[in-house]
Amino acid sequence: NAGVTQTPKFQVLKTGQSMTLQCAQDMNHEYMSWYRQDPGMGLRLIHYSVGAGITDQGEVPNGYNVSRSTTEDFPLRLLSAAPSQTSVYFCASSYSNLGPSSYEQYFGPGTRLTVT
Amino acid sequence: GDSVTQMEGPVTLSEEAFLTINCTYTATGYPSLFWYVQYPGEGLQLLLKATKADDKGSNKGFEATYRKETTSFHLEKGSVQVSDSAVYFCVQGAQKLVFGQGTRLTINP
Repeated sequence: NAGVTQTPKFQVLKTGQSMTLQCAQDMNHEYMSWYRQDPGMGLRLIHYSVGAGITDQGEVPNGYNVSRSTTEDFPLRLLSAAPSQTSVYFCASSYSNLGPSSYEQYFGPGTRLTVT
Repeated sequence: GDSVTQMEGPVTLSEEAFLTINCTYTATGYPSLFWYVQYPGEGLQLLLKATKADDKGSNKGFEATYRKETTSFHLEKGSVQVSDSAVYFCVQGAQKLVFGQGTRLTINP
């Protein structure tokens, strides 16, 4: 299993540009989510999905869109990039049942985004 | 709202020293608690977890006990190694995770 994969690893955007960060998992996890990591702030939840066709907002959703057309993929779209979106972005996935095994989330390696 | 506060870093220790990283949380219920570790250049990995009060999570020599009375989940290790150098996050939740700010740990040989 490849686990959770993210592309690209690095990206530089100009203010106002749009782009999509890709996330895929091959563990058949129902739950997927996007976090951003900023210095001194830990990770904050952007959007999440409990299954194909179902998404919801997290703590910091503004400026980002998501969709979930398949179980495997959960892309994050930046509509019009701003310098405040400079961050490291992590995708995560887990099972969605209520047993203890659902509590471990698997993280991708991250995408480092710089907006100038 | 729910939050996690952990010991500020960076923390620098010598090999074989005793490690404690403090973590406290605020929550409306009784959340699951975790420690995640981020090694340089990598994503986050689950280090240990506890899902109810008085549970002790342990892995790779690290331990943490879920203390409901003090709302704490301090991370400890009796003898650290250079390979333990990483950023450690105290986390609460189940699927919608709430992270502490992270503590950067450096172990010198």
